[in-house]
Amino acid sequence: DGGITQSPKYLFRKEGQNVTLSCEQNLNHDAMYWYRQDPGQGLRLIYYSQIVNDFQKGDIAEGYSVSREKKESFPLTVTSAQKNPTAFYLCASSKATGVGYGYTFGSGTRLTVV
Amino acid sequence: DQQVKQNSPSLSVQEGRISILNCDYTNSMFDYFLWYKKYPAEGPTFLISISSIKDKNEDGRFTVFLNKSAKHLSLHIVPSQPGDSAVYFCAASAGASGTYKYIFGTGTRLKVLA
Repeated sequence: DGGITQSPKYLFRKEGQNVTLSCEQNLNHDAMYWYRQDPGQGLRLIYYSQIVNDFQKGDIAEGYSVSREKKESFPLTVTSAQKNPTAFYLCASSKATGVGYGYTFGSGTRLTVV
Repeated sequence: DQQVKQNSPSLSVQEGRISILNCDYTNSMFDYFLWYKKYPAEGPTFLISISSIKDKNEDGRFTVFLNKSAKHLSLHIVPSQPGDSAVYFCAASAGASGTYKYIFGTGTRLKVLA
């Protein structure tokens, strides 16, 4: 079964600590995305990648970093520079980057700062 | 500036009746729209899409209507079932301009009462 896997499901971070959220897909999708969901807000785009070794900042990239060394993997690092990291993080992928290609989402990672 | 707005944060409907979820957008360049359904602690799943060349798209119990002049789309669920209780997000993309990223609304929580 093809799909997109995020791990861990729950993650706790101490103040000042960097953490990395994993996102892996076996759908052979070219594009991958990271979104953040906060209560009462829509999904906000953090970073996206159209092809391997290339990625662009989304609307709220400050305090985050990504890499795209393999087509199937797009990890997100939440750095200590992110002032309000507690949120639900969603990874998504799409077959291509044109109109008409909807996203497949992972099941999310809930990050909490303790 | 919220380009995609879902002004009703919640909606309650009796089982068997019609659910109507609304979405407004401000960017006239948007030409492709999606609806996603999300259960708690899970990633969104794709429901239905519509291109700006159409004003209606139907898939089983789900119908999406697009009014380009009013910059408004709506999702109709008939008949509503308890399993439809979830948060529904609309999303829009301006593919013709080369921007393929989707902008999401804030979501509407639908509760279908048995």
